[in-house]
Order: sequence, then C-alpha cells, then structure tokens
Amino acid sequence: ETGVTQTPRHLVMGMTNKKSLKCEQHLGHNAMYWYKQSAKKPLELMFVYSLEERVENNSVPSRFSPECPNSSHLFLHLHTLQPEDSALYLCASSQDSPSGVAKNIQYFGAGTRLSVL
Amino acid sequence: GQQVMQIPQYQHVQEGEDFTTYCNSSTTLSNIQWYKQRPGGHPVFLIQLVKSGEVKKQKRLTFQFGEAKKNSSLHITATQTTDVGTYFCAGREGGSEKLVFGKGTKLTVNP
Repeated sequence: ETGVTQTPRHLVMGMTNKKSLKCEQHLGHNAMYWYKQSAKKPLELMFVYSLEERVENNSVPSRFSPECPNSSHLFLHLHTLQPEDSALYLCASSQDSPSGVAKNIQYFGAGTRLSVL
Repeated sequence: GQQVMQIPQYQHVQEGEDFTTYCNSSTTLSNIQWYKQRPGGHPVFLIQLVKSGEVKKQKRLTFQFGEAKKNSSLHITATQTTDVGTYFCAGREGGSEKLVFGKGTKLTVNP
C-alpha cells in the first residue's frame, strides 16, 4: 500500500462512453500526476497539478480532461476515447515546493487498466 | 527537449548472473531517480542520486551517477528471481522542473 489509491482498477468502455478515473492520496502531498503506460511509451506524463493548479499538460488530446478539486483528489474524465487510448493509467503524488514541481519522489498508485472497445 | 535514453530494453539472465542497465541523458541532470516495477505492479521508488560521481548501494544493487551528471547505471550482483521487473531511470534537467522517465529495462531471470 503506497498511500495512493486508484479506482476503478479495471475499466472497459466503448468509444461513445463517458467515464472518470479517480485517484486519492493519503500522504499529505501537494502535487499529483497522471501518467499513461503502454507498450509503446512506458511512462508518459500527461498532467501535473501542484497546489491544485495545473502546471503541466503534455499535449494531451482534449478527450482527456483532468480535475483536481483539492490536494488529495485527482480525477481524469474520459469521453469519446479511441482504441489506442487503451493503456494503464497511473496516478502519482509527491511533496514539492511551489517552484519545484515533480522534484521529489513519485509515489504511484496501482493504476487503472483501461480497455477501449 | 530533454531525452532520457535507457538500454538495454530487455535483458534475460540466469539466476546468479549479474545485470546492468544504463541511462543516458541528452543534457546535464540535476538529479536522477531509479524505480522498479514488478510484473502487474506499479513503479516503486528505489533511490535518488544528486552528486556528480555518486555511488550508492542497496544490498546487491549498486547505483552510479556519472561525473558529468549525464548518465547513470544500476548494477545488480548475483540476480535472484525476486529481481524480475522493469527498472526505470528518471532524470531532471538542471533548471527544469519536469521529471523525464526512460523507457525502462525489463529484466527476466531464469531460475
């Protein structure tokens, strides 16, 4: 148990569905991240939130929409996904200074295995 | 932008053999981290190196940071089946705030 909980663990959705991934961290950290892990790109950073503000958006398609209501919770809203979006989606958190996002150790959740049909 | 290259992509060894994975950056790094991901699991932090030429050991694992702070290596002595997994390096360019992961080295160990 890393202190970062992701739900659901597995998700199957059609291309017209709307779903959300949830991440919760119990470590008191102030930065949270979404990563996509697939065979082609093992660990691809998608979004970074520091002190609940989005500070990084790595050219992710608009069909992925993140939300960070507070420093402990992070969501990834999904809509009209494509089959190539099937992957393991990992959430991570860290404790960073406001000027030093993603500086420190990343604590990963177990991930959500997403299949898009 | 910053790139972190990791080799080899795959490594298969017999139990008891040594294993090394190498990480190279296109730019000077302020620090480098190593993570291990077991099959079906998630990445778990192993260690962080900060100083030029730094060497750290964790039991059978030896981590090195190059003098120029552009490369790093992880060496496992006498591998065991519990070492199976993918090892990732992650580096941060000096002046940048983003952590960039290498593609990882997948280690399999034959008992």
